[in-house]
Amino acid sequence: GIQVEQSPPDLILQEGANSTLRCNFSDSVNNLQWFHQNPWGQLINLFYIPSGTKQNGRLSATTVATERYSLLYISSSQTTDSGVYFCAVERSGTYKYIFGTGTRLKVLA
Amino acid sequence: KAGVTQTPRYLIKTRGQQVTLSCSPISGHRSVSWYQQTPGQGLQFLFEYFSETQRNKGNFPGRFSGRQFSNSRSEMNVSTLELGDSALYLCASSPGLAGGPTVQFFGPGTRLTVL
Repeated sequence: GIQVEQSPPDLILQEGANSTLRCNFSDSVNNLQWFHQNPWGQLINLFYIPSGTKQNGRLSATTVATERYSLLYISSSQTTDSGVYFCAVERSGTYKYIFGTGTRLKVLA
Repeated sequence: KAGVTQTPRYLIKTRGQQVTLSCSPISGHRSVSWYQQTPGQGLQFLFEYFSETQRNKGNFPGRFSGRQFSNSRSEMNVSTLELGDSALYLCASSPGLAGGPTVQFFGPGTRLTVL
């Protein structure tokens, strides 16, 4: 099956810093999402981005499907950005997302 | 639109018991997926339902089962609970439109503790 690797596994930043999270996947996919899991366990949709680039406020994401990776950029980080960020991918017709192991982000005030 | 709702939010059971978790998808969504999240195994796919039919199933023992009703609400059941079943169980809702993007929206989860 498809393998999804995320890096780095852990990241500690000072408030105001920028960061880049990476997601590599081992096979072609048709769907890709980024999520933020808050301390209460809720998975919050950040981006649906099977290819191309999207931006939403301080967050942006880029997926290069042909090279099998996606990047999530967080600019001017805030303490509320803390949590775990997951990348998940799906091959069309399988009806299941495969999740990466996540990047645990801690933003210090 | 209201989001995905899951009940109950917290549950404590003892080994050998069974449990039923419920998920109500976003209005108009016809696909419901279930995932198990544990510290050791991460987020793992359990099963997906669309129009009351299971379209895919993850690599879990037969003690884990699910179903979907005609109103798209879904339940999952775990029989003969084991300590290792302690986890956060997450439900995801998706439009399920043929040929459309599979964008999943998650509920708040049910945290199950097995003693």
